[in-house]
Amino acid sequence: EVQLVESGGGLVKPGGSLRLSCAASRFTFSDYSMHWVRQAPGKGLEWVASISSSSDHIYYADSLKGRFTVSRDNAKNSLYLQMNSLRAADTAVYYCVRVGGDGDLLNAFHIWGQGTMVTVSS
Amino acid sequence: DIQMTQSPTTLSASVGDRVTITCRATQSVSRWLAWYQQKPGKAPKLLIYEASNLESGVPSRFTGSGSGTEFTLTISSLQPDDFASYYCQQYSNYWTFGQGTKVEIK
Repeated sequence: EVQLVESGGGLVKPGGSLRLSCAASRFTFSDYSMHWVRQAPGKGLEWVASISSSSDHIYYADSLKGRFTVSRDNAKNSLYLQMNSLRAADTAVYYCVRVGGDGDLLNAFHIWGQGTMVTVSS
Repeated sequence: DIQMTQSPTTLSASVGDRVTITCRATQSVSRWLAWYQQKPGKAPKLLIYEASNLESGVPSRFTGSGSGTEFTLTISSLQPDDFASYYCQQYSNYWTFGQGTKVEIK
């Protein structure tokens, strides 16, 4: 079964940094674009960042204002999200997501990880 | 940016009811529209992609329709497992979710 497992979440102080990881298994990771989606407690889903299969196309939500960086290592079947200058408003569950179809960026979000919680608080 | 608006925000229904959720986009997304189901404490699950294509393993009581700016998700006969939140998402121009619709037990 295709699997995505996020890690790296936790409690961090405002202004701090955190790096999330997503380990992919049981599919050819290098064939698929990937996304990060977050969900604040009791709120809806918010797209965060996207990266194409070969990392040549990268996109971010405007609200992040350059604080987050998405990357991937196809040799390690891993996706990353470096989060800097964290704010209370960044408190959320962060999901790693794989697209479907031909693996291009503009596909629905077919496979979701279980999520990792990030709490920004002093 | 394309904004997605779902209605209603909350829906109270009984087992066996036919349920319809609407999603509207601020500009055409063609048929690049997906629907997701999410239960408390769980990751979202894809139900429908390209407006009307049923994801593998999803029961046939779920149907999606629409194109352009107006879309619907219909559950033909609500089952106990269907009480959850539902989100639409456009992937025509970047990626945007609707605010969600919670389907509650009446």
